[in-house]
Amino acid sequence: ETGVTQSPTHLIKTRGQQVTLRCSSQSGHNTVSWYQQALGQGPQFIFQYYREEENGRGNFPPRFSGLQFPNYSSELNVNALELDDSALYLCASSLIGTRTHEQYFGPGTRLTVT
Amino acid sequence: AQSVAQPEDQVNVAEGNPLTVKCTYSVSGNPYLFWYVQYPNRGLQFLLKYITGDNLVKGSYGFEAEFNKSQTSFHLKKPSALVSDSALYFCAVRLNFGNEKLTFGTGTRLTIIP
Repeated sequence: ETGVTQSPTHLIKTRGQQVTLRCSSQSGHNTVSWYQQALGQGPQFIFQYYREEENGRGNFPPRFSGLQFPNYSSELNVNALELDDSALYLCASSLIGTRTHEQYFGPGTRLTVT
Repeated sequence: AQSVAQPEDQVNVAEGNPLTVKCTYSVSGNPYLFWYVQYPNRGLQFLLKYITGDNLVKGSYGFEAEFNKSQTSFHLKKPSALVSDSALYFCAVRLNFGNEKLTFGTGTRLTIIP
């Protein structure tokens, strides 16, 4: 186990609704990244937060937004849900400024949009 | 821009035989390379990484990978496959500067046949 937790495990929403996914980073980590993994695909980078500021963003529209809190937990918010948003959402924590470099992933939240 | 190619969607290997899962990458600059494994209904688990130094890197569960700069490859290998190695394997790349955005391949499903 990596020490990264995510909630909820599964979620079903209707098109047009809004959703908030939560992530608790591994103890001591200062960076969280969010990825979207569609069925049969590799994870796609959504964005990264370092010390509560966005530190890079992938090719996702503004309706995908995030927050990182002082305790390094994080939220991913998606507004105006679309059917194509159905995917496994993964968060990963890491420690910028060290020689470790790898990211540690949580188990993911499975979002289904109907 | 950075990209990863995993040319084989599926690799089947007999238990006890050596296995190879292929990965090639494209990046402008020096890469950091990673292998992750994903078991059903689970997040990604870190296996190994290449940052710098020796081209042959060793990781968890007896896996190793060889960095080949001229061929821009980072193939995952194991001398003797176990049935428990059956899973989905992802290769990922990031730049050695800037944010820690990982770019993943589409994954290779490894099946070890008893």
